[in-house]
Amino acid sequence: DAGVIQSPRHEVTEMGQEVTLRCKPISGHDYLFWYRQTMMRGLELLIYFNNNVPIDDSGMPEDRFSAKMPNASFSTLKIQPSEPRDSAVYFCASSLGGWDQGTQYFGPGTRLLVL
Amino acid sequence: AQSVAQPEDQVNVAEGNPLTVKCTYSVSGNPYLFWYVQYPNRGLQFLLKYITGDNLVKGSYGFEAEFNKSQTSFHLKKPSALVSDSALYFCAVRDNTNAGKSTFGDGTTLTVKP
Repeated sequence: DAGVIQSPRHEVTEMGQEVTLRCKPISGHDYLFWYRQTMMRGLELLIYFNNNVPIDDSGMPEDRFSAKMPNASFSTLKIQPSEPRDSAVYFCASSLGGWDQGTQYFGPGTRLLVL
Repeated sequence: AQSVAQPEDQVNVAEGNPLTVKCTYSVSGNPYLFWYVQYPNRGLQFLLKYITGDNLVKGSYGFEAEFNKSQTSFHLKKPSALVSDSALYFCAVRDNTNAGKSTFGDGTTLTVKP
């Protein structure tokens, strides 16, 4: 299996632009997670899905952030408009089973720089 | 408020010696507890978790952690450290409901010297 795939691996954009991060989970996994890592705030869980349905989006920082999972093979995290403080590494992870049963497998991350 | 504390920013051990990376937590209900590791060129990986049952949890790469409810701790341990264990380690706690919040510690950098 190719593991969790994220694209792009690096993104540099200007403040105010729309940014879309993409994730392909491991085939057969029913949970998908989006995390953010910054020096200032550390690791944060942004949102997670079960069977393509968002379960908990309490970690999404503000309305500029949105996440979708249109099917079991694909999820997006969108930032519109982007701001310099959104600069971070964004990780996607997937698991078979939830917090109590599954093991999360992480993608390589997308390093976002907003100028 | 829910919180996780990793009191040591850095832990240094000699190869072959036992290692401990400390974690304490605060949560209103019963916790789910996790350890993750971040290697410099290999990204983030799940190590182990405590959900319920046996307080001693065994995970990947020979790591284990002990859930201590009275001390609200979940320290990560390994009997014999390897140079390849050098990485950044994160402890996390989650309220044990699907609507629960996840909180991560600030991370501890483990350096194992040959």
